[in-house]
Amino acid sequence: GQSLEQPSEVTAVEGAIVQINCTYQTSGFYGLSWYQQHDGGAPTFLSYNALDGLEETGRFSSFLSRSDSYGYLLLQELQMKDSASYFCAVRDSDYKLSFGAGTTVTVRA
Amino acid sequence: ETGVTQTPRHLVMGMTNKKSLKCEQHLGHNAMYWYKQSAKKPLELMFVYNFKEQTENNSVPSRFSPECPNSSHLFLHLHTLQPEDSALYLCASSLGDGTGGTDTQYFGPGTRLTVL
Repeated sequence: GQSLEQPSEVTAVEGAIVQINCTYQTSGFYGLSWYQQHDGGAPTFLSYNALDGLEETGRFSSFLSRSDSYGYLLLQELQMKDSASYFCAVRDSDYKLSFGAGTTVTVRA
Repeated sequence: ETGVTQTPRHLVMGMTNKKSLKCEQHLGHNAMYWYKQSAKKPLELMFVYNFKEQTENNSVPSRFSPECPNSSHLFLHLHTLQPEDSALYLCASSLGDGTGGTDTQYFGPGTRLTVL
């Protein structure tokens, strides 16, 4: 079966850096994605890693190590609007994403 | 209108009712998905359609019945549901052209379903 593990909650102050780790065990692997979901909203795409290494998009970066079945999402210069749930997801076939349970990030002033 | 829309946004139904959820995407995508989201649990993939053909049925009970009349519309027909079916039902779409890459999924706002 598919299994993705990520922490359930993280709390940090504005301006801080938060790293959300994700380990996975899936039958196939096409890439690791990250989605953000604000309370009451729809999940929205943040980043995608198909190859090992770091991808940077503004204040957010995502990392992948395929040999370790591990990735992380790095949130820098935290802002209040970053308070949300963050999901890692593995694309394990042409049309299928398997999601983790999500990490709730709370940013305090 | 752009993106992925879902109606209704909220639905309360009894266990003997029959209702339908509607999803529409205006992105020109070929693949559409139904997910169930319950509190503190991973998004559960229910159904996948690609070019109107069902490619995935993730062991979903028969009280949930999907319908995809064309690449832009997706329905989820509900009947004789149970209280444990109360959840947020999310629709998503992706390019689904099988060329690899991210095949980013775009989600609708969801239907909050409560079964009494």
